[in-house]
Amino acid sequence: SAVISQKPSRDICQRGTSLTIQCQVDSQVTMMFWYRQQPGQSLTLIATANQGSEATYESGFVIDKFPISRPNLTFSTLTVSNMSPEDSSIYLCSAAPQGGYGYTFGSGTRLTVV
Amino acid sequence: DQQVKQNSPSLSVQEGRISILNCDYTNSMFDYFLWYKKYPAEGPTFLISISSIKDKNEDGRFTVFLNKSAKHLSLHIVPSQPGDSAVYFCAASASSGYSTLTFGKGTMLLVSP
Repeated sequence: SAVISQKPSRDICQRGTSLTIQCQVDSQVTMMFWYRQQPGQSLTLIATANQGSEATYESGFVIDKFPISRPNLTFSTLTVSNMSPEDSSIYLCSAAPQGGYGYTFGSGTRLTVV
Repeated sequence: DQQVKQNSPSLSVQEGRISILNCDYTNSMFDYFLWYKKYPAEGPTFLISISSIKDKNEDGRFTVFLNKSAKHLSLHIVPSQPGDSAVYFCAASASSGYSTLTFGKGTMLLVSP
């Protein structure tokens, strides 16, 4: 299965600033996903990132707040823009393998906004 | 409205005994179910899955049971080991092929020696 390197692993950011999270996959994958896990909550899908097209955002998430790039089949970034303390969460990227199931996850980025 | 529910936030089991983690879902369109294990400071790792055409899938110490009429699935770990201590997430998908996953909140399993 694919291996995903995600960075940074954690960061503490000032409110109003932006943070870009990167995910590098060791093989080409068609679809990548970005999730958020707030304390005590389940993993919530933010958006699906396809190479060569705009990301598809889930209800409650917008491109201005969470712009995503997918320049090729092995890389994606998620930016958390104009951060507030409510954005403090773990952010995870995921990749769908060929065949669609058994998704692989990155190790997560623990973001704290102060 | 949570479509995938794991009603037990935590479970404690002694080493060697069976661990049973439960998951309920509400969306009848879900046809594929997965279990993930997550250690602190790591991303979730895929553990085992089951399609709605089956009622059981086994992989070593891990067995997943699906009861479609009750919209319930469970993960059995036998025998439980201290290294199994982690958070277990149940996830469901509504269609075959590439599809987004809906996750439960997770159950923290603690296996004591």
